[in-house]
Amino acid sequence: EPEVTQTPSHQVTQMGQEVILRCVPISNHLYFYWYRQILGQKVEFLVSFYNNEISEKSEIFDDQFSVERPDGSNFTLKIRSTKLEDSAMYFCASGRPTDTQYFGPGTRLTVL
Amino acid sequence: KQEVTQIPAALSVPEGENLVLNCSFTDSAIYNLQWFRQDPGKGLTSLLLIQSSQREQTSGRLNASLDKSSGRSTLYIAASQPGDSATYLCAVFSPTGAGSYQLTFGKGTKLSVIP
Repeated sequence: EPEVTQTPSHQVTQMGQEVILRCVPISNHLYFYWYRQILGQKVEFLVSFYNNEISEKSEIFDDQFSVERPDGSNFTLKIRSTKLEDSAMYFCASGRPTDTQYFGPGTRLTVL
Repeated sequence: KQEVTQIPAALSVPEGENLVLNCSFTDSAIYNLQWFRQDPGKGLTSLLLIQSSQREQTSGRLNASLDKSSGRSTLYIAASQPGDSATYLCAVFSPTGAGSYQLTFGKGTKLSVIP
């Protein structure tokens, strides 16, 4: 069964450094999403992406965040200058807007 | 702004019991509602999706209902097993008011099934 994959599973970085989180969505899906979950908190929507552009973003998704689909398979989330409060589990998802969203296993980001 | 609440926050039951998890949402203008399972430190596994026009969906021992007008959904788990122990998340897909849609999650119900 097709699944969403994410790499790395765990990323440790120093405050102020740039990180890129990678995702490979399910191949025939057209909508891609990033969410984050701070430890003990709700899963929060960050951004949705369709047709090579952002279709919706939350107030969390400020100028230090960016997303890209550099080729036909990968979908990336870049955090330009990480802060301590960016430490969280980041989930990628893919699907159609009115149908099931399939989530990846997540990348745990730790900012020191 | 859509808010999703799940009650109870935690639930502990003996194996074999039937149980109900509750989810409520503030804005009834939803497109669909999805129930997920999350194991500790892991990703989200989709369990059931209910479209706004549907009243319920079933998958094996799971049954989810939706009452859009009252802003409520329930997830019924029959004959619970220790392997059902996990956090169950409810999420609604609803318009943002800016012409797009967003999935809004509840905080989850942590279920423990005692052998």
